[in-house]
Amino acid sequence: GAGVSQSPSNKVTEKGKDVELRCDPISGHTALYWYRQSLGQGLEFLIYFQGNSAPDKSGLPSDRFSAERTGGSVSTLTIQRTQQEDSAVYLCASSQTATNSPLHFGNGTRLTVT
Amino acid sequence: QKEVEQDPGPLSVPEGAIVSLNCTYSNSAFQYFMWYRQYSRKGPELLMYTYSSGNKEDGRFTAQVDKSSKYISLFIRDSQPSDSATYLCASIIQGAQKLVFGQGTRLTINP
Repeated sequence: GAGVSQSPSNKVTEKGKDVELRCDPISGHTALYWYRQSLGQGLEFLIYFQGNSAPDKSGLPSDRFSAERTGGSVSTLTIQRTQQEDSAVYLCASSQTATNSPLHFGNGTRLTVT
Repeated sequence: QKEVEQDPGPLSVPEGAIVSLNCTYSNSAFQYFMWYRQYSRKGPELLMYTYSSGNKEDGRFTAQVDKSSKYISLFIRDSQPSDSATYLCASIIQGAQKLVFGQGTRLTINP
């Protein structure tokens, strides 16, 4: 398909374990975003990548969270030493350019920390 | 105070009714306004995209922005059960990269 692809769609992990979430953006889209959606909450910005520029990490909630984007395409969000409050849907989005362009979202990874 | 405020609902209306969904925002620098629709267990999909004040119509959907009162609205005419979803408003400053979202309003259209 031509949309944003995220994997896994669901992840259950034990508290204290590390998890990796993957995002494959739409081909040709230079901007990539990670958002978090908790139950009953709106989308919380986490991190943003644009081309080869340094990422905007201002939304990452703690140093347990990190993300990388390899080759300007696929991105991985890593959460170390997961906590129960990390349980949420993690959404990835991409856009053609960074400025004012609409975001196209994947279906998210539903993370449950037990 | 959140930059974009949205009543989370839930909102339940009968089929065929006109639905009004609303958001307020606090940052006067916001220039672009969007509405996303999110079905259960799916990612948000862009529904409407407007710049500055005014109305934009697309089929049964009308987006309205009033910058003087910092108010964003989405109207759905002749609502259908397939419109049942969570609707999220979002705003962005011109030239910025981060889209700021409201909490989302959960809407149910009853047949």
